[in-house]
This record gives sequence, C-alpha cells and structure tokens, in this order.
Amino acid sequence: GAVVSQHPSWVICKSGTSVKIECRSLDFQATTMFWYRQFPKQSLMLMATSNEGSKATYEQGVEKDKFLINHASLTLSTLTVTSAHPEDSSFYICSADPLLGAQHFGDGTRLSIL
Amino acid sequence: DQQVKQNSPSLSVQEGRISILNCDYTNSMFDYFLWYKKYPAEGPTFLISISSIKDKNEDGRFTVFLNKSAKHLSLHIVPSQPGDSAVYFCAATTTSGTYKYIFGTGTRLKVLA
Repeated sequence: GAVVSQHPSWVICKSGTSVKIECRSLDFQATTMFWYRQFPKQSLMLMATSNEGSKATYEQGVEKDKFLINHASLTLSTLTVTSAHPEDSSFYICSADPLLGAQHFGDGTRLSIL
Repeated sequence: DQQVKQNSPSLSVQEGRISILNCDYTNSMFDYFLWYKKYPAEGPTFLISISSIKDKNEDGRFTVFLNKSAKHLSLHIVPSQPGDSAVYFCAATTTSGTYKYIFGTGTRLKVLA
C-alpha cells in the first residue's frame, strides 16, 4: 500500500535552533500534504496544508514565520520549525493524499526543545 | 469549537466481545468520515471510512455506522482482540475543497485478554 515516510523520528535540540522535518510520499505523487501537531493526550490538530508549487495554507493561530513549509516536489514536503523554543516541543505528523481514498500518515517526529 | 467529538476518552472490553467507539460531529458539511488507529509514537493507520451517502460500511471485523440525522458515527469491532488495543480517532472532512481532516480527540481502547 501507499507509504509516507517522515524523517527524523526524534529530534532533541537546544532552544533557538531551527529544525527541519521531511515528509515523503514513497509510491505516489502528492500535490497536497498536511502537517499536524499532537499534544499529549490530545487530538491531531491540523497546522497547514502544503501545496506543491505554491504557498502553504495555514490554519488559524499557526504562525507562518515560525513553521515554514516547503512543498518543492510531488513527493516531498518539509516543515521547518524556526528558532524553536520549549513550547514548540510536540509530536508532528505529516500526511499525504493520494487523491483517492484516505490520507496516509507518516510515523511522526517527536520534537523536544531543551 | 470542537467540530468532531469523541466523548469517551477510554474504553475497556473483554477479548472476544464487541467494542463500540462513538463519534459526534457538528458540521453538516462533512460528507466523508474515517476511523484511524494509532499506537504511541507512530502515525495513524487508516481503518475504515464511510461516505455520507451510506449508513454502514463493513470491512472484516470493523463496521462503521453513520447516522446523519443525529450527526453520529460509530465503529464496531467484533470480535475484539488484544492487538486492537490502541487509540482510535475518528476524522471528518468535506470532499469538496482541500479535503482536510478534522480529528476527534481519540478513544483509548484496551482489550483485555
């Protein structure tokens, strides 16, 4: 079946560092990818919709300058958390839409900012 | 405003019995609903979906029921197995537009051997 690969799976870094997370669709092309954030014991909250070749669409309350999204190809979207602080620590998950059926999710990235 | 709600944060069921997970939504524009299963530190795995033109969809041990008038859907797992223990999320979307999902808060299912 369709597979979405997310890398890295775990990042620990110092406050002020920028962190890049990659999301790849391995066996299908995805014009649209989605980035979610999950806090402990909470739902997956959609952060933004990543559109290949155009600007991402951010949900209300998500800082565009803090969470930079680039969707440079039909198989790769990246989320960069800029100047990360402890409050950015969370579990970030991407998904890709193969146009038919359900979105496929990556295994997530646990980000810990010290 | 929580458009998709799962009011039971946890559920325990004996192995072999039926597990029923519930989900309510408020947005009448939603026309496609999905259930995902999630283990800790992993991404959600798709289980089953249902379009608003149907009221039931079945796939093996999993059946999803949709009651549009009540804006309610449920996932039935029968028979329940210990490997089913996970967090289950329902999600809703509109098939027009960007097709983005709105997730419920999840229900942690524990199947007891």
